[in-house]
Amino acid sequence: GQNIDQPTEMTATEGAIVQINCTYQTSGFNGLFWYQQHAGEAPTFLSYNVLDGLEEKGRFSSFLSRSKGYSYLLLKELQMKDSASYLCAVRAPAWAYNTDKLIFGTGTRLQVFP
Amino acid sequence: DTAVSQTPKYLVTQMGNDKSIKCEQNLGHDTMYWYKQDSKKFLKIMFSYNNKELIINETVPNRFSPKSPDKAHLNLHINSLELGDSAVYFCASSQEVGNTIYFGEGSWLTVV
Repeated sequence: GQNIDQPTEMTATEGAIVQINCTYQTSGFNGLFWYQQHAGEAPTFLSYNVLDGLEEKGRFSSFLSRSKGYSYLLLKELQMKDSASYLCAVRAPAWAYNTDKLIFGTGTRLQVFP
Repeated sequence: DTAVSQTPKYLVTQMGNDKSIKCEQNLGHDTMYWYKQDSKKFLKIMFSYNNKELIINETVPNRFSPKSPDKAHLNLHINSLELGDSAVYFCASSQEVGNTIYFGEGSWLTVV
Protein backbone atom coordinates (compact mmCIF):
# COMPACT_ATOMS: atom_id res chain seq x y z
CA GLY A 1 0.00 0.00 0.00
CA GLN A 2 0.94 3.64 -0.16
CA ASN A 3 0.06 6.70 1.85
CA ILE A 4 1.59 10.17 1.69
CA ASP A 5 0.23 12.79 4.05
CA GLN A 6 0.67 16.53 4.12
CA PRO A 7 -1.34 19.29 5.79
CA THR A 8 -3.91 20.68 3.39
CA GLU A 9 -3.32 24.35 4.07
CA MET A 10 -0.92 26.60 5.95
CA THR A 11 -0.60 30.33 6.37
CA ALA A 12 2.40 32.43 7.31
CA THR A 13 3.61 36.01 7.34
CA GLU A 14 6.11 37.60 4.99
CA GLY A 15 9.64 37.32 6.42
CA ALA A 16 8.77 34.38 8.66
CA ILE A 17 9.86 30.74 8.55
CA VAL A 18 7.46 27.91 7.76
CA GLN A 19 7.90 24.15 7.90
CA ILE A 20 5.76 21.89 5.72
CA ASN A 21 5.69 18.28 6.87
CA CYS A 22 5.25 15.12 4.85
CA THR A 23 4.86 11.62 6.24
CA TYR A 24 4.85 8.58 4.02
CA GLN A 25 4.17 4.88 4.11
CA THR A 26 5.09 3.13 0.90
CA SER A 27 6.21 -0.30 -0.17
CA GLY A 28 9.87 0.61 -0.56
CA PHE A 29 11.57 3.96 -0.83
CA ASN A 30 14.14 5.35 -3.23
CA GLY A 31 14.03 9.04 -2.39
CA LEU A 32 11.71 11.96 -1.79
CA PHE A 33 11.04 15.01 -3.95
CA TRP A 34 9.52 18.37 -3.17
CA TYR A 35 7.79 20.34 -5.91
CA GLN A 36 6.32 23.84 -5.91
CA GLN A 37 3.16 24.59 -7.88
CA HIS A 38 1.80 28.10 -8.30
CA ALA A 39 -1.89 28.38 -9.08
CA GLY A 40 -2.58 27.66 -12.71
CA GLU A 41 0.98 26.54 -13.42
CA ALA A 42 2.97 23.34 -13.66
CA PRO A 43 4.79 21.82 -10.66
CA THR A 44 8.49 22.72 -10.60
CA PHE A 45 11.25 20.76 -8.92
CA LEU A 46 12.59 22.09 -5.62
CA SER A 47 14.61 19.35 -3.94
CA TYR A 48 15.45 15.67 -3.75
CA ASN A 49 16.53 13.74 -0.65
CA VAL A 50 17.64 10.14 -0.70
CA LEU A 51 19.80 10.05 2.46
CA ASP A 52 18.86 11.15 5.97
CA GLY A 53 19.59 14.72 6.88
CA LEU A 54 19.13 18.27 5.76
CA GLU A 55 19.73 19.58 2.25
CA GLU A 56 19.96 23.35 2.00
CA LYS A 57 19.35 25.33 -1.15
CA GLY A 58 19.12 29.05 -0.58
CA ARG A 59 15.99 29.97 1.35
CA PHE A 60 14.65 26.44 1.00
CA SER A 61 15.83 23.37 2.89
CA SER A 62 14.53 19.82 2.88
CA PHE A 63 14.98 17.21 5.58
CA LEU A 64 14.54 13.47 5.48
CA SER A 65 14.32 10.75 8.13
CA ARG A 66 13.88 7.39 6.43
CA SER A 67 13.42 5.49 9.69
CA LYS A 68 10.49 7.73 10.62
CA GLY A 69 9.03 7.98 7.13
CA TYR A 70 9.16 11.73 7.47
CA SER A 71 10.32 14.76 5.55
CA TYR A 72 9.86 18.48 5.82
CA LEU A 73 10.39 21.48 3.60
CA LEU A 74 11.63 24.57 5.40
CA LEU A 75 11.08 27.97 3.81
CA LYS A 76 12.93 30.91 5.33
CA GLU A 77 12.49 34.66 4.85
CA LEU A 78 9.11 34.08 3.28
CA GLN A 79 8.13 36.23 0.34
CA MET A 80 4.72 36.82 -1.15
CA LYS A 81 5.78 34.88 -4.24
CA ASP A 82 6.19 31.76 -2.08
CA SER A 83 2.40 31.47 -1.92
CA ALA A 84 1.87 28.21 -3.77
CA SER A 85 1.15 24.53 -3.27
CA TYR A 86 4.03 22.34 -2.16
CA LEU A 87 3.92 18.71 -3.23
CA CYS A 88 5.81 15.90 -1.57
CA ALA A 89 6.51 12.90 -3.81
CA VAL A 90 8.08 9.56 -2.93
CA ARG A 91 10.17 7.66 -5.45
CA ALA A 92 8.91 4.11 -5.17
CA PRO A 93 11.14 1.29 -6.37
CA ALA A 94 10.59 -1.06 -9.26
CA TRP A 95 10.51 -4.18 -7.10
CA ALA A 96 7.39 -2.90 -5.33
CA TYR A 97 5.54 -1.25 -8.20
CA ASN A 98 6.81 -2.99 -11.38
CA THR A 99 8.74 0.13 -12.25
CA ASP A 100 10.24 3.10 -10.46
CA LYS A 101 7.67 5.84 -10.14
CA LEU A 102 6.86 9.00 -8.22
CA ILE A 103 3.85 8.92 -5.93
CA PHE A 104 2.59 12.39 -5.05
CA GLY A 105 0.98 13.58 -1.86
CA THR A 106 -2.08 15.80 -2.05
CA GLY A 107 -0.01 18.95 -1.56
CA THR A 108 0.01 21.77 0.98
CA ARG A 109 -1.38 25.12 -0.05
CA LEU A 110 0.70 27.85 1.55
CA GLN A 111 -0.56 31.41 1.75
CA VAL A 112 1.87 34.14 2.68
CA PHE A 113 0.40 37.35 4.05
CA PRO A 114 2.07 40.76 4.27
CA ASP B 1 12.99 27.20 -25.41
CA THR B 2 10.22 25.33 -23.68
CA ALA B 3 11.50 22.02 -22.32
CA VAL B 4 8.19 20.16 -22.17
CA SER B 5 5.44 21.64 -24.30
CA GLN B 6 1.87 20.47 -24.64
CA THR B 7 -1.07 21.64 -26.71
CA PRO B 8 -3.74 22.77 -26.42
CA LYS B 9 -3.49 24.65 -23.14
CA TYR B 10 -7.27 25.01 -22.84
CA LEU B 11 -9.90 22.71 -24.24
CA VAL B 12 -13.65 22.93 -23.76
CA THR B 13 -15.66 20.18 -25.39
CA GLN B 14 -18.95 18.36 -25.17
CA MET B 15 -19.60 14.98 -23.61
CA GLY B 16 -19.13 12.14 -26.02
CA ASN B 17 -16.52 13.89 -28.16
CA ASP B 18 -13.04 12.56 -28.88
CA LYS B 19 -10.05 14.80 -28.28
CA SER B 20 -6.25 14.65 -28.28
CA ILE B 21 -3.54 16.43 -26.34
CA LYS B 22 -0.06 16.54 -27.80
CA CYS B 23 3.22 16.65 -25.92
CA GLU B 24 6.81 17.12 -26.94
CA GLN B 25 10.02 17.37 -24.92
CA ASN B 26 13.36 18.69 -26.15
CA LEU B 27 15.39 17.61 -23.13
CA GLY B 28 16.60 14.37 -24.67
CA HIS B 29 14.89 12.41 -21.90
CA ASP B 30 14.08 8.73 -22.24
CA THR B 31 10.91 8.69 -20.14
CA MET B 32 7.65 10.56 -20.58
CA TYR B 33 4.48 10.66 -18.50
CA TRP B 34 0.89 11.78 -18.39
CA TYR B 35 -0.45 12.96 -15.05
CA LYS B 36 -3.98 14.02 -14.17
CA GLN B 37 -4.66 16.70 -11.56
CA ASP B 38 -8.23 16.84 -10.35
CA SER B 39 -10.18 19.65 -8.71
CA LYS B 40 -8.69 18.75 -5.33
CA LYS B 41 -5.22 19.26 -6.79
CA PHE B 42 -4.28 15.59 -6.40
CA LEU B 43 -1.64 14.75 -9.00
CA LYS B 44 -1.92 11.17 -10.17
CA ILE B 45 0.10 9.31 -12.75
CA MET B 46 -1.82 7.85 -15.68
CA PHE B 47 0.82 6.52 -18.06
CA SER B 48 4.54 6.33 -18.46
CA TYR B 49 6.61 5.49 -21.51
CA ASN B 50 10.31 4.66 -21.56
CA ASN B 51 11.93 4.80 -25.01
CA LYS B 52 8.49 4.53 -26.64
CA GLU B 53 7.54 1.52 -24.55
CA LEU B 54 4.59 1.65 -22.14
CA ILE B 55 5.79 0.91 -18.61
CA ILE B 56 3.05 2.30 -16.40
CA ASN B 57 -0.68 2.10 -17.00
CA GLU B 58 -2.47 3.05 -13.81
CA THR B 59 -5.90 1.47 -14.26
CA VAL B 60 -6.98 4.25 -16.54
CA PRO B 61 -10.21 3.64 -18.55
CA ASN B 62 -9.70 2.26 -22.05
CA ARG B 63 -11.09 5.51 -23.42
CA PHE B 64 -7.65 6.98 -22.74
CA SER B 65 -5.02 5.88 -25.22
CA PRO B 66 -1.46 7.21 -25.16
CA LYS B 67 0.73 7.09 -28.24
CA SER B 68 4.47 7.61 -28.42
CA PRO B 69 5.68 7.91 -32.02
CA ASP B 70 9.22 8.56 -30.78
CA LYS B 71 10.81 9.17 -27.41
CA ALA B 72 10.40 12.95 -27.67
CA HIS B 73 6.62 12.77 -28.12
CA LEU B 74 3.80 11.35 -26.05
CA ASN B 75 0.26 12.15 -27.13
CA LEU B 76 -2.94 11.42 -25.26
CA HIS B 77 -6.17 10.59 -27.06
CA ILE B 78 -9.44 10.46 -25.17
CA ASN B 79 -12.57 8.87 -26.63
CA SER B 80 -16.16 9.46 -25.59
CA LEU B 81 -15.36 12.20 -23.12
CA GLU B 82 -17.25 12.23 -19.82
CA LEU B 83 -17.89 15.01 -17.32
CA GLY B 84 -15.52 13.36 -14.86
CA ASP B 85 -12.67 13.72 -17.32
CA SER B 86 -12.57 17.44 -16.62
CA ALA B 87 -9.17 18.08 -15.06
CA VAL B 88 -5.72 19.43 -15.81
CA TYR B 89 -3.55 16.98 -17.71
CA PHE B 90 0.19 17.38 -17.32
CA CYS B 91 2.73 15.88 -19.62
CA ALA B 92 6.18 15.35 -18.09
CA SER B 93 9.54 13.80 -18.77
CA SER B 94 12.59 12.54 -16.90
CA GLN B 95 16.06 11.43 -17.91
CA GLU B 96 15.31 7.91 -16.71
CA VAL B 97 12.45 6.20 -14.92
CA GLY B 98 12.14 7.55 -11.36
CA ASN B 99 14.43 10.54 -11.86
CA THR B 100 13.46 14.18 -11.41
CA ILE B 101 10.34 14.88 -13.42
CA TYR B 102 9.92 18.05 -15.47
CA PHE B 103 6.36 19.05 -16.19
CA GLY B 104 4.74 20.75 -19.13
CA GLU B 105 2.44 23.72 -18.54
CA GLY B 106 -0.69 21.61 -18.40
CA SER B 107 -3.81 21.25 -20.53
CA TRP B 108 -7.04 22.40 -18.91
CA LEU B 109 -9.80 20.11 -20.15
CA THR B 110 -13.42 21.01 -19.44
CA VAL B 111 -16.15 18.64 -20.54
CA VAL B 112 -19.64 20.16 -20.69
